Amino acid sequence: DQQVKQNSPSLSVQEGRISILNCDYTNSMFDYFLWYKKYPAEGPTFLISISSIKDKNEDGRFTVFLNKSAKHLSLHIVPSQPGDSAVYFCAASTNYGGSQGNLIFGKGTKLSVKP
Amino acid sequence: DVKVTQSSRYLVKRTGEKVFLECVQDMDHENMFWYRQDPGLGLRLIYFSYDVKMKEKGDIPEGYSVSREKKERFSLILESASTNQTSMYLCATHTGIGTDTQYFGPGTRLTVL
Repeated sequence: DQQVKQNSPSLSVQEGRISILNCDYTNSMFDYFLWYKKYPAEGPTFLISISSIKDKNEDGRFTVFLNKSAKHLSLHIVPSQPGDSAVYFCAASTNYGGSQGNLIFGKGTKLSVKP
Repeated sequence: DVKVTQSSRYLVKRTGEKVFLECVQDMDHENMFWYRQDPGLGLRLIYFSYDVKMKEKGDIPEGYSVSREKKERFSLILESASTNQTSMYLCATHTGIGTDTQYFGPGTRLTVL
């Protein structure tokens, strides 16, 4: 049973517009959430994170929103750029600040930003 | 900057061969992980290690084993490679303290013929 779900395998957006990537989770014990970006033939790179005590975290063009009651988080990219085209993975953890570091990943959403 | 290196970017092996994939990190991180990434399946955890000589099974350990003789090195072993092990293999590290960010290596694209 998938604990972290990214229901949209792909998303296409025009350059300059907003990209919204969604992620749902089922485990209410998750207390930390992360987004990773992955280009083909490269390893994922960390993008942005949010702990369960917050509902929003912003870093430049990237903002993550967390709705705990709905068990839903989203990544907003504004404005979208062609270089943002990649696969985005949502991940969750149950031991924020702990020593184990295990993450549960979603299946990813492939974002295409068209010029 | 954290540096995680993997021994090969691309590898082609034959069915039945024993395959070694190596991962080396230079940041003294406690925890190391091996994943495989397949289209439509995301990242699936194969094995992880919290300390030297310690290992834990992930979600899909069948057909794999691991070795961690030194803190900086975590090896993934395919005892007898099969075609369904054709995949992108990703190594990751974690500090073991504070942040839960994992740092990934560049990946090894393994093809088993």
